[in-house]
Amino acid sequence: SAVISQKPSRDICQRGTSLTIQCQVDSQVTMMFWYRQQPGQSLTLIATANQGSEATYESGFVIDKFPISRPNLTFSTLTVSNMSPEDSSIYLCSVAPGVANEKLFFGSGTQLSVL
Amino acid sequence: KQEVTQIPAALSVPEGENLVLNCSFTDSAIYNLQWFRQDPGKGLTSLLLIQSSQREQTSGRLNASLDKSSGRSTLYIAASQPGDSATYLCAVTGTASKLTFGTGTRLQVTL
Repeated sequence: SAVISQKPSRDICQRGTSLTIQCQVDSQVTMMFWYRQQPGQSLTLIATANQGSEATYESGFVIDKFPISRPNLTFSTLTVSNMSPEDSSIYLCSVAPGVANEKLFFGSGTQLSVL
Repeated sequence: KQEVTQIPAALSVPEGENLVLNCSFTDSAIYNLQWFRQDPGKGLTSLLLIQSSQREQTSGRLNASLDKSSGRSTLYIAASQPGDSATYLCAVTGTASKLTFGTGTRLQVTL
């Protein structure tokens, strides 16, 4: 298993500003992912955070809006840039500790509200 | 494109009842299917994972089945308790460990 610490747990931000969300894992993991859950919706994958290289973004998500860093196998950040009220969502970090296609573990999420 | 649907969207049952949550997916080319529980402010907790070659998995009062060919899974909860109240999400794993989530079933177990 993996223990994931995600910060901040919640924030209220002004339109046009940026917020960086941190995800720290207690062990080295092969894969890290960032998901978004808009109000009343299910989870949507934003990107796969790749260690030492640029993240792989899903359709509809771009690096300029959601820059991601992954400097090592235990840490990643997601930045929500130039925020608008439409960015109000829960953002979740997820990790796959071992081999591909096994159980994923999730952080507790960041509740973001943009005014 | 994979689509995952869950029925019902919401469910309220009295304590002690057995219940079934349904999940369907459009593309049967999956590696596995997971059932998660989501509590407000606590992220997601993985309940059960069924590999594509398996038919079912059990954990305590929970039993999940998978019929890959028909694109269906069910989560059976026996003897429901108020502590089971949460949103239940199913998700299928495609390539590169990417999950596609269902729309969720919001469960309330009343006293």
